[in-house]
Parts: sequence; C-alpha cells; structure tokens
Amino acid sequence: QTVVAQEPSLTVSPGGTVTLTCASTTGAVTSNHYPNWFQQKPGQAPTALIYRTTYKHSWTPARFSGSLLGDKAALTLSGAQPEDEAEYYCLLYFGGPGVFGGGTKLTVL
Amino acid sequence: QVQLVESGGGVVQPGRSLRLSCAASGFTFRTYAMHWVRQAPGKGLEWLAVIWFDGSKSYYADSVKGQFTISRDNLKNTLYLQMNSLRADDTAVYYCAREESGWLFDYWGQGTLVTVSS
Repeated sequence: QTVVAQEPSLTVSPGGTVTLTCASTTGAVTSNHYPNWFQQKPGQAPTALIYRTTYKHSWTPARFSGSLLGDKAALTLSGAQPEDEAEYYCLLYFGGPGVFGGGTKLTVL
Repeated sequence: QVQLVESGGGVVQPGRSLRLSCAASGFTFRTYAMHWVRQAPGKGLEWLAVIWFDGSKSYYADSVKGQFTISRDNLKNTLYLQMNSLRADDTAVYYCAREESGWLFDYWGQGTLVTVSS
C-alpha cells in the first residue's frame, strides 16, 4: 500500500519562509507523479494551489511555489501571511489512482 | 463561472446504499476527467476514484474498490458515486473535483456529508 508522507505540523513566523515536503514510500517523487498541492482552511473545501510540480493557478498567491527537493515534492511559502495558516495536502499520481499525503498543519505565529 | 455542486448525502444505516451526485456548470463537462475525494471528520483527504472525460476508464482507491462505482452522464453534466454496503468508516464529507488533462486539479465542490449510523 502506497503511503505519501508529509510533516504533520510546521510553524512559520509572519514574513518568514517555510518548506513543506511530500514523500512516497514507493521511492523518489518525480515530475511523473504530477504533484498537486492544496490548501484547506477549517470548514472549507480544499483550494488548489500548485499542479504538475511547479505550476500555479491564476488565483495562487505569488508567495507560494512548488518544486522537487531531492526525492520529494516541495511547497515553499516565502513571506508567510496570517491568512496562510491552514492545512496543506499534496496529491501524487500513480498511473491511474492518486494518493494524498496526510497533510501538514501550518501555523503562522 | 465553474460550479460543482454535490448532493445526495445524509444519514444512512450500515449496509445500505447511497448515490451521490455532482452537478457541473460553467464549463464543458464532457471534456474533463472528474474525481471523488472524501474527508472523514477530523481527518485528512482521501482520493477515491476518477473517471475519464468520456467515461471510458475509471480507477479506484483500494479502500473502495468493489464497493463504490463512479459514473457520469455527459448529457446531464452530472457525476455520480454509487456507494454500497456502507460502513461507519465511510462517514465523511464527499467532494467532487475537476481535472484538466494531465492530473491538473483545479475546481472543487463544497462537499456533501454522508453519515453512516444506525
């Protein structure tokens, strides 16, 4: 059973930079996993942030960026704002099915 | 504007069936793959199933394979999830989401809550 792992929680200071990662038990995450990143705030549906590793949607704030970092997918937030406090999920493609990571609760404090 | 509206959730007894719907508007539904995702109370997101734009292929998470069936009606611009033999651990908010080609997720519905309880 494929497991996608994320940091359970991270804290960043306002204006600071933080990187969230997304790893797979099957091996290195590559662009062929088409990593997507989503933000979810309490009581709301998820919002798409990043697709195909690095691409932003038209509504994605510029302070968010996606990349591959070693053998993981990564989401970097540069210049954190209070409104960025949320749960963040990655989603990887496995040749048909997809698997979400367990999510990272990001605190801006 | 793109809209996805789920319906069909509610309280259902264990062992019973339920069919969820996701009504799509604001885009050409028949050209997009569609997904179902769920979230149990206080838990993370769980990918469930995808169906290709023309309904020719579908894939499922191992956890629901043989229990859930994804389908679509491109004339009615509607996505479905047939859920059988429901168990307490199927209790969750169920979301539909749109995929542009190449695993590009963009729009999500607001979700519908399914509670499996006697």
